[in-house]
Amino acid sequence: DIQMTQSPSSLSASVGDRINITCRASQGISNYLAWFQQKPGKAPKSLIYAASSLQSGVASKFSGSGSGTDFTLTISSLQPEDFATYYCQQYNSYPITFGQGTRLEIK
Amino acid sequence: EVQLVESGGGLVRPGGSLRLSCAASGFTFSIYAMSWVRQAPGKGLEWVSRIVGSGGNTYYADSVKGRFTVSRDNSKNTLYLQMNSLRAEDTAIYYCAKQVKNTGGYDDYWGQGTRVTVSS
Repeated sequence: DIQMTQSPSSLSASVGDRINITCRASQGISNYLAWFQQKPGKAPKSLIYAASSLQSGVASKFSGSGSGTDFTLTISSLQPEDFATYYCQQYNSYPITFGQGTRLEIK
Repeated sequence: EVQLVESGGGLVRPGGSLRLSCAASGFTFSIYAMSWVRQAPGKGLEWVSRIVGSGGNTYYADSVKGRFTVSRDNSKNTLYLQMNSLRAEDTAIYYCAKQVKNTGGYDDYWGQGTRVTVSS
């Protein structure tokens, strides 16, 4: 199985900040990497697919990069509605696996 | 508008069975793969199972293989998850998710989830 490791596990930031969340795969997954946002009590929401493609309707403040084993989600100009938990997911091979999540909190 | 509505969750005793349903609308259900993903209380996301658009191929996490069965009725636009031999560790919110391709890809839409509690 491919293990996905996110860092950090939690992050405190201020409104207006730019932050990065990284995701590392235990083996190469090309660009078969997605990012999701989840708010408390809500279903996950797709943000990024194919490592760097923005899901339709998602704000351009979200961006993704990387290929192979190392990936990054960047969120610019944080707003109160961006404070949530973020997950990466590899869909290169079965079983599909998620990172453990990064909780983004307001400082 | 894509809509996915899960149902069928509830309280079940260890060793019991439950069948979850996911009613889909707003897209051509039969041409997209579908998945189940679960989230235990206070924990992260765990992929459970996937079925391709035709229903011909299915995939499972090792944690549920042999106990859970995914199926779909394309005439009813509905996805199912039959869960047998349930364990306490199966307690979670179960989400259905639509994939972007007939055979897989990433999850572009998610339902709101149905809660399953396995307890005596």
